[in-house]
Amino acid sequence: DAKTTQPTSMDCAEGRAANLPCNHSTISGNEYVYWYRQIHSQGPQYIIHGLKNNETNEMASLIITEDRKSSTLILPHATLRDTAVYYCIVRVASYNQGGKLIFGQGTELSVKP
Amino acid sequence: DSGVTQTPKHLITATGQRVTLRCSPRSGDLSVYWYQQSLDQGLQFLIQYYNGEERAKGNILERFSAQQFPDLHSELNLSSLELGDSALYFCASSAKIGLAGGTGELFFGEGSRLTVL
Repeated sequence: DAKTTQPTSMDCAEGRAANLPCNHSTISGNEYVYWYRQIHSQGPQYIIHGLKNNETNEMASLIITEDRKSSTLILPHATLRDTAVYYCIVRVASYNQGGKLIFGQGTELSVKP
Repeated sequence: DSGVTQTPKHLITATGQRVTLRCSPRSGDLSVYWYQQSLDQGLQFLIQYYNGEERAKGNILERFSAQQFPDLHSELNLSSLELGDSALYFCASSAKIGLAGGTGELFFGEGSRLTVL
């Protein structure tokens, strides 16, 4: 699985967009980008994933650069409840290969009033 | 609520002891994963089972073992416990072996916090 690099921490003002970057310069053509978050010692929570097109769901948007070497997770209107550690994970989506996710250190996002 | 149930939520025991952590996956999910999260190591993948069979192994110590039963619940057994085994242990489940064919989502439980004194 390709390695990812994320900033250790970020701050965001409540109500503003939070843009969390992730570098994955060694990503392979069949590897997806997954985002999870973990709110203070709770179980990690899936946010979104994508291959090469931008994706949006009710939680967030995922923007993947054309060369797929980096991506940005966007929380459009951050709230205090979005304070969490955000993990960017690159993984093959296979039918036969185990679905384990390898978590790095992630980005600790602090949303401030 | 992810639908994944882990018991017990908290467990305090002594060094050298043995404990069993239990996980009930979401209804219909066939894959179960175990993760360990300690303060200095982050989230570490331990092992995956699919429909009763071991599918992937990570950094799981020989003192630890796991199994998945016919009703799909899973147990993680930790023996000869050491102080360093104190951690949060998470179970996750997904519908299939891999991440394809669905949302690619792993559903995590709330964890079992193990304290070894």
